[in-house]
Amino acid sequence: EVQLVESGGVVIQPGGSLRLSCAASGFTFDDYPMHWVRQGPGKGLEWVSLISWDGDTTYYADSVKGRFTISRDNTKNSLYLQMNSLRPEDTAFYYCVKDLGPAAIEAYFDYWGQGTLVTVSS
Amino acid sequence: EIVLTQSPATLSSSPGERATLSCRASQSVDRHLAWYQQRVGQAPRLLIYDASNRATGIPARFSGSGSGTDFTLNISSLEPEDVGVYYCQQRSNWPPLTFGGGTKVEIK
Repeated sequence: EVQLVESGGVVIQPGGSLRLSCAASGFTFDDYPMHWVRQGPGKGLEWVSLISWDGDTTYYADSVKGRFTISRDNTKNSLYLQMNSLRPEDTAFYYCVKDLGPAAIEAYFDYWGQGTLVTVSS
Repeated sequence: EIVLTQSPATLSSSPGERATLSCRASQSVDRHLAWYQQRVGQAPRLLIYDASNRATGIPARFSGSGSGTDFTLNISSLEPEDVGVYYCQQRSNWPPLTFGGGTKVEIK
């Protein structure tokens, strides 16, 4: 069974930094690209970032480019999101999401974690 | 950036009725479109990808159609567990990968 478990969400002041983690199990982690997708409370879905299976290629939404960094450790079956210069509009549930296709980026999301809440507020 | 517009905002139907959800893209996405269901308090679930392919474990009452800019998700016979918000998502032209604003499905 595929499991994705996020951690690291907290209440943090604007301008602060935070690292989210995602522990993956139930599939061959290093075969798949991975994403972060966020959802503001009561709002819709927003794609945040993507990393290739080997970690060599990354993509970001314009809203987070230059502030957030996605990374992965395939030896630990883990995905990360380093979030710097946080803003109130970054407040959201952050989901760790598995890409549909092995190796190649399919850019569809077939398994989601339960999310971790990041609240940016003074 | 490709903008996806979903309609209606809210759909209310009786159990057993057919539900039809629409997603319109601001430019052609060919067939590179997916649908997700999000129940209250849960993470989204992939239903359909590449416009009409059902994801693993998805019941046959869910079907997708369309190409270019106009897409439809049909639920042939609505069941109580189908209540939730449904999102479309495109992967034709990215980054960014984009979602529609969602359609809320309610049971009368």
